[in-house]
Amino acid sequence: GQQVMQIPQYQHVQEGEDFTTYCNSSTTLSNIQWYKQRPGGHPVFLIQLVKSGEVKKQKRLTFQFGEAKKNSSLHITATQTTDVGTYFCAGRSNFGNEKLTFGTGTRLTIIP
Amino acid sequence: DTAVSQTPKYLVTQMGNDKSIKCEQNLGHDTMYWYKQDSKKFLKIMFSYNNKELIINETVPNRFSPKSPDKAHLNLHINSLELGDSAVYFCASSTRAPQREQYFGPGTRLTVT
Repeated sequence: GQQVMQIPQYQHVQEGEDFTTYCNSSTTLSNIQWYKQRPGGHPVFLIQLVKSGEVKKQKRLTFQFGEAKKNSSLHITATQTTDVGTYFCAGRSNFGNEKLTFGTGTRLTIIP
Repeated sequence: DTAVSQTPKYLVTQMGNDKSIKCEQNLGHDTMYWYKQDSKKFLKIMFSYNNKELIINETVPNRFSPKSPDKAHLNLHINSLELGDSAVYFCASSTRAPQREQYFGPGTRLTVT
């Protein structure tokens, strides 16, 4: 079955440093979504990427979808304590398919 | 107004018992999901319903039975609870198109002793 891996599993950064998490799928994706889960909270949708090579920005967050539509990345510039949480990518293998396969997640902690 | 709500928030029970978790969404979505998040934070889809019809049924023990009385509700009943069932269970909902982002409930932390 489809597998979606993320690296690193954990990342500790000093406040103000940049952070990147990488997402790799075993199969080609029709689209990919990113979610953030704060400690003790629930996953919250951040963004969806659909096109090959697509890049989207949300303030300090930059999301990228690979040319082959099998990988994606999330980059945070100048991290803040509010960025703490686990970041998940989630991919769909086919259009019209309801099933999202979540990545293994990257847990980000910030050292003030 | 809570978009996706779950009850109870915490559930502590003994092995062998039967328990239910309820989920309701007031977003007008037609698709609902159950996810299991284990202690390592891995999120796995269990079931999905669209307009009360089961559309995703992953490899889940048949002790788990979802029920959708209407589009706004999706309940999860678990029979003969086992230690390995301890996890956080999230309900989520979405529309079918175009973006189909999923809105998650606050989760139910199930502890089986």
